[in-house]
Amino acid sequence: GESVGLHLPTLSVQEGDNSIINCAYSNSASDYFIWYKQESGKGPQFIIDIRSNMDKRQGQRVTVLLNKTVKHLSLQIAATQPGDSAVYFCAEPREGGNKLTFGTGTQLKVEL
Amino acid sequence: EAGVTQFPSHSVIEKGQTVTLRCDPISGHDNLYWYRRVMGKEIKFLLHFVKESKQDESGMPNNRFLAERTGGTYSTLKVQPAELEDSGVYFCASRPDRDNEQFFGPGTRLTVL
Repeated sequence: GESVGLHLPTLSVQEGDNSIINCAYSNSASDYFIWYKQESGKGPQFIIDIRSNMDKRQGQRVTVLLNKTVKHLSLQIAATQPGDSAVYFCAEPREGGNKLTFGTGTQLKVEL
Repeated sequence: EAGVTQFPSHSVIEKGQTVTLRCDPISGHDNLYWYRRVMGKEIKFLLHFVKESKQDESGMPNNRFLAERTGGTYSTLKVQPAELEDSGVYFCASRPDRDNEQFFGPGTRLTVL
């Protein structure tokens, strides 16, 4: 079946550095993606989304890049802070947006 | 405004026992979802309610799982009898009709021994 969100399991960065979390998907018809952040003891929290008619979208300290040619998207976090430590998931809403399909997630660890 | 709440936060039971998880969505959200994350794996969709009706239960693993949303407010997810592979974190999310964003609760960590 089609998959979304093939992640590297762990990423360690130094505080202040930029973080890049990657995600691959297999369905070329996928047209909308969401990045979620899950902190310990909390549920996933929406960070930023991107539609397939865009290559890049920026938020506060975060940027999502979408490369439809290679079916890859990334989440870039500028000046990573300890509070950014969490598991990050890319997800795709399916079935009219009601069925979120998540990847396995990347654990971001920020080293002081 | 209160977010999505779930109860209990943790549950440890023995194989063969019954457990009921509860989710209180954000007030006024007609859409309610259950998801599950088994250790180290992806978060998987279980089912979707619109008010009190099951819209999509394609993700429910088997008939040991029963979800209800009587009255269209809070929802319960019962596992009976629990098996070892049911261990994981169960998330509930809710969404208003006119918004795409699903708001997640903190999850219930279920451990079946």
